[in-house]
Amino acid sequence: GQNIDQPTEMTATEGAIVQINCTYQTSGFNGLFWYQQHAGEAPTFLSYNVLDGLEEKGRFSSFLSRSKGYSYLLLKELQMKDSASYLCAFRDSGAGSYQLTFGKGTKLSVIP
Amino acid sequence: DAMVIQNPRYQVTQFGKPVTLSCSQTLNHNVMYWYQQKSSQAPKLLFHYYDKDFNNEADTPDNFQSRRPNTSFCFLDIRSPGLGDAAMYLCATSRGETGGGQFFGPGTRLTVL
Repeated sequence: GQNIDQPTEMTATEGAIVQINCTYQTSGFNGLFWYQQHAGEAPTFLSYNVLDGLEEKGRFSSFLSRSKGYSYLLLKELQMKDSASYLCAFRDSGAGSYQLTFGKGTKLSVIP
Repeated sequence: DAMVIQNPRYQVTQFGKPVTLSCSQTLNHNVMYWYQQKSSQAPKLLFHYYDKDFNNEADTPDNFQSRRPNTSFCFLDIRSPGLGDAAMYLCATSRGETGGGQFFGPGTRLTVL
């Protein structure tokens, strides 16, 4: 079956670095997405990995290991506005491969 | 700017009173999705349209219906809202081919009294 898991909550200090982990299980894999969701708002796209390795986008980086079913989102130089939920989602291969399976999200609190 | 628009942003309805939520997109994407999201939970896919083809998730209650009259618009009808249907309803779109992500609208927060 399909499964996706990420920590429920994390707290980090302004200016620091935080890593949010995500593990997934699926019989066919075709991409891993990270979304940011502020309270009461819609998810916004952050990053996409389909091959192993690190993708860097400014302060945000995302890593993927397909053999381990593992990804992480790395946030550097944390700012107060980074307080949000971060959703991990994977896309299957095969029929309906455009659909995403979402995790419950990791609520990140950035403190001064 | 190309975008996904949802109206209204906040909807209050009474128990059992039908309600319709709307979504429009200027991205010309093939696929439109409706998700239900409750607090601290993952978005739950209710159904999606690939062009005109309607795809219902197996566990979506019959109380929820959808219409897609054209490429740009998609509607979510809740025929008899219950207290448990209070949630954020998210519309999303994607190109349909692999390699593209999903783009979300701002959501409609539904309150059931």
